[in-house]
Amino acid sequence: RKEVEQDPGPFNVPEGATVAFNCTYSNSASQSFFWYRQDCRKEPKLLMSVYSSGNEDGRFTAQLNRASQYISLLIRDSKLSDSATYLCVVNDYKLSFGAGTTVTVRA
Amino acid sequence: EPEVTQTPSHQVTQMGQEVILRCVPISNHLYFYWYRQILGQKVEFLVSFYNNEISEKSEIFDDQFSVERPDGSNFTLKIRSTKLEDSAMYFCASRKDRGGGELFFGEGSRLTVL
Repeated sequence: RKEVEQDPGPFNVPEGATVAFNCTYSNSASQSFFWYRQDCRKEPKLLMSVYSSGNEDGRFTAQLNRASQYISLLIRDSKLSDSATYLCVVNDYKLSFGAGTTVTVRA
Repeated sequence: EPEVTQTPSHQVTQMGQEVILRCVPISNHLYFYWYRQILGQKVEFLVSFYNNEISEKSEIFDDQFSVERPDGSNFTLKIRSTKLEDSAMYFCASRKDRGGGELFFGEGSRLTVL
C-alpha cells in the first residue's frame, strides 16, 4: 500500500458546484496532515492543516477519519480560481506527499 | 512576509556536470528540506536537515547528492554528476518545528540536464 494515495481526478466541475475528494494514508501513527494546493509549475502552498477531526476555512472543509485512515477535502461554491492540483500531505518525519487531485472549475 | 528563496530559478547543464542549487530558508526556521518533482509527477522527498546534519533521506538521495549549510543562512543541494533523469523541479522548504508546523516552499529551481 502506498504511503499516501489520492484520487488523481481530474474533477471537472461548474462554478458554484461542490467537489469533494479523499486521501488515504498507510501510517496509522500519523498525527497531523495538510492540504496543499499546487498551481501548474509552481510551488505547493498551504491550504489547510488538519490536526484533529477536521478543519473548516471558508468554503473549504477538511475531515479526518482516523479509523479508516483517510482525509477528505470539500470545496463549496467552487470558483474558477480553485482550479489547481490539491496535494494531501501526511506529517510524518519527512512529510509524505500524495500524487495530487486535479480540480478544474469551468465557467 | 518571510519567504524561502531559491536560486537559480532555471539551470541547464550537460550530463555529467556538477550542479549546486541554493536556498535561503526563513530565518527562524530550524528544519530544512529538499524535494523534487519530475514534470507531471508527484512531489518526492529527498532529504531533511536539522542541527547541521541530515536527519532523514530517501532512496533517491544517493551518493551523487549532498547537502550543506555552509554559512548559517544558505542551504545547498549539490548533484555531483548529473544524469538525464535528474531533470526536475527542485523545491527547498523549511519549517519552524517538526511537530506540525506549516512547511514553507521556495519557488523552485528547474534543472534541465541535456
